[in-house]
Amino acid sequence: DGGITQSPKYLFRKEGQNVTLSCEQNLNHDAMYWYRQDPGQGLRLIYYSQIVNDFQKGDIAEGYSVSREKKESFPLTVTSAQKNPTAFYLCASSIIWGSGNTIYFGEGSWLTVV
Amino acid sequence: EDQVTQSPEALRLQEGESSSLNCSYTVSGLRGLFWYRQDPGKGPEFLFTLYSAGEEKEKERLKATLTKKESFLHITAPKPEDSATYLCAVWRGNNRLAFGKGNQVVVIP
Repeated sequence: DGGITQSPKYLFRKEGQNVTLSCEQNLNHDAMYWYRQDPGQGLRLIYYSQIVNDFQKGDIAEGYSVSREKKESFPLTVTSAQKNPTAFYLCASSIIWGSGNTIYFGEGSWLTVV
Repeated sequence: EDQVTQSPEALRLQEGESSSLNCSYTVSGLRGLFWYRQDPGKGPEFLFTLYSAGEEKEKERLKATLTKKESFLHITAPKPEDSATYLCAVWRGNNRLAFGKGNQVVVIP
């Protein structure tokens, strides 16, 4: 089945650690995205990638980093510089980047700081 | 500033009691409005895309409509399995999606 796979589902981070969330899609989509979801707030864009080897900062990129070495993969690293990383992280993709295109989401990853 | 406001924040319905959810937006030049369904602890599931005022889309007990300033998601004769949070999103002028905070719906048997 085509879709977006995120792993792990649950992740715990100690203070000062970097952690990486995996996102893989087999939809042959060019564009990929990372969103953060906090209780009572709308989804906020962290980073997006229009195409392989390209990525751009979203609205809340500080403390995060990404790479896009393959079309299928868009991993997100939450660095120790992110002061409030506990949240639900959603990876998404669309056929191409740009207004009007439908964005499809993965199942999400929970990150908790311990 | 482009904004998306959803109301009511939370809604409790008896099974079979039809109702509507509202999504108001203030973006210049609508390039697409989306409705998603999100179950607790899961990613949003795409429901509908609407592009122009007057457009309507239906899926089972759900019907989405669009005007120049707002969209409605009508739930007809809801069942407990329709319980979820419904998210509305619109494309902003800078090619980014703006999301509302969601309508949390609980359908009581």
